[in-house]
Amino acid sequence: GQSLEQPSEVTAVEGAIVQINCTYQTSGFYGLSWYQQHDGGAPTFLSYNALDGLEETGRFSSFLSRSDSYGYLLLQELQMKDSASYFCAVNSNYQLIWGAGTKLIIKP
Amino acid sequence: DTAVSQTPKYLVTQMGNDKSIKCEQNLGHDTMYWYKQDSKKFLKIMFSYNNKELIINETVPNRFSPKSPDKAHLNLHINSLELGDSAVYFCASSPRQGTAYEQYFGPGTRLTVT
Repeated sequence: GQSLEQPSEVTAVEGAIVQINCTYQTSGFYGLSWYQQHDGGAPTFLSYNALDGLEETGRFSSFLSRSDSYGYLLLQELQMKDSASYFCAVNSNYQLIWGAGTKLIIKP
Repeated sequence: DTAVSQTPKYLVTQMGNDKSIKCEQNLGHDTMYWYKQDSKKFLKIMFSYNNKELIINETVPNRFSPKSPDKAHLNLHINSLELGDSAVYFCASSPRQGTAYEQYFGPGTRLTVT
């Protein structure tokens, strides 16, 4: 079967750093994507890792280890507007296989 | 300059009715998708089209029928609506068939079946 595991909820403090982990087991794997979705909004693309290592885009970074079937999204200098759900998704056979999402709660 | 648009944004209807949701993208992308997001926020791929051709057809009741008149449009028609169809339906697009990793989503259509 195909599965992605990510925590259902993570809580952090404004200004802090938070890491959202994702482990996957899929039949085909080309890379790992991350999306952000605010309540009532649509998913928006954040980052994509096709190769092992760290990709940095401003305050957000994403990491992939293909040998461990593991990735994470790192959010730095957290702001209240980062409160949202974050989805990891495996790029597999011309489609994305989605995780169930992690709700990030940020406290002042 | 809306990239991916959907109409309507909200749809409230009764069981047994037939309804359609329209989607248009002005990004020049070749590939389009339909997703269903349930109340637990799980995103489930329903269909994918590449240049008007169906390439992904997941296990979806045949009451759901997609239509792509051209590569910029992908519509979804639902027959005999059921309570379990209540969800948010998202349309998305990506540049080419091999770029599924970066999808651009429409604002969603919240369907409520009573």
